[in-house]
Amino acid sequence: GAVVSQHPSRVICKSGTSVKIECRSLDFQATTMFWYRQFPKQSLMLMATSNEGSKATYEQGVEKDKFLINHASLTLSTLTVTSAHPEDSSFYICSVPLGQAPDTQYFGPGTRLTVL
Amino acid sequence: AQSVAQPEDQVNVAEGNPLTVKCTYSVSGNPYLFWYVQYPNRGLQFLLKYITGDNLVKGSYGFEAEFNKSQTSFHLKKPSALVSDSALYFCAVRPPSTGRRALTFGSGTRLQVQP
Repeated sequence: GAVVSQHPSRVICKSGTSVKIECRSLDFQATTMFWYRQFPKQSLMLMATSNEGSKATYEQGVEKDKFLINHASLTLSTLTVTSAHPEDSSFYICSVPLGQAPDTQYFGPGTRLTVL
Repeated sequence: AQSVAQPEDQVNVAEGNPLTVKCTYSVSGNPYLFWYVQYPNRGLQFLLKYITGDNLVKGSYGFEAEFNKSQTSFHLKKPSALVSDSALYFCAVRPPSTGRRALTFGSGTRLQVQP
């Protein structure tokens, strides 16, 4: 399987600040990455699809100006939570699809964001 | 639109006993179905997937799942549970079209294996 890393694993910030989360595909190139959000004891909800070389595709109801996604290279996608508020506190997980269709998604370890 | 249902929030089973975690789906056409496991404060780990062919799919850690088209189910099973299997399990579906590669997840089922 693929190895996907996320940094940081945990971050605590004050309300109003911005936080950047990195997702790296360590052993293969990925033109597409996915960002999910998971609330406590709930399922994963797709936020957006990160596309290398083009704009991200956001799911309905996800504010693109608040959750900025940049697919900087074939191995790195970043999610920036701008002007974070306590309701943005969540577990953010990225995934990378790999293999022949239907590809399997490999998930990063997640980033726990707590906004005070 | 596709959807996945996991009717049980939690499943309790004694170590050594067989376990089943239920999943039903709703999607147009023939679906691609997945099972993932999540340990506390960690990302999801891939267990197995159904694409086509044999309805019984074998995966990691001794898990298997049975695809039942008539019942639109994809239940996860293991013949003998281990305490270390205790975790959160997610069923997921992806439609067969090539356009959307993201997964739609069920609500998750917490498996508790008692020693």
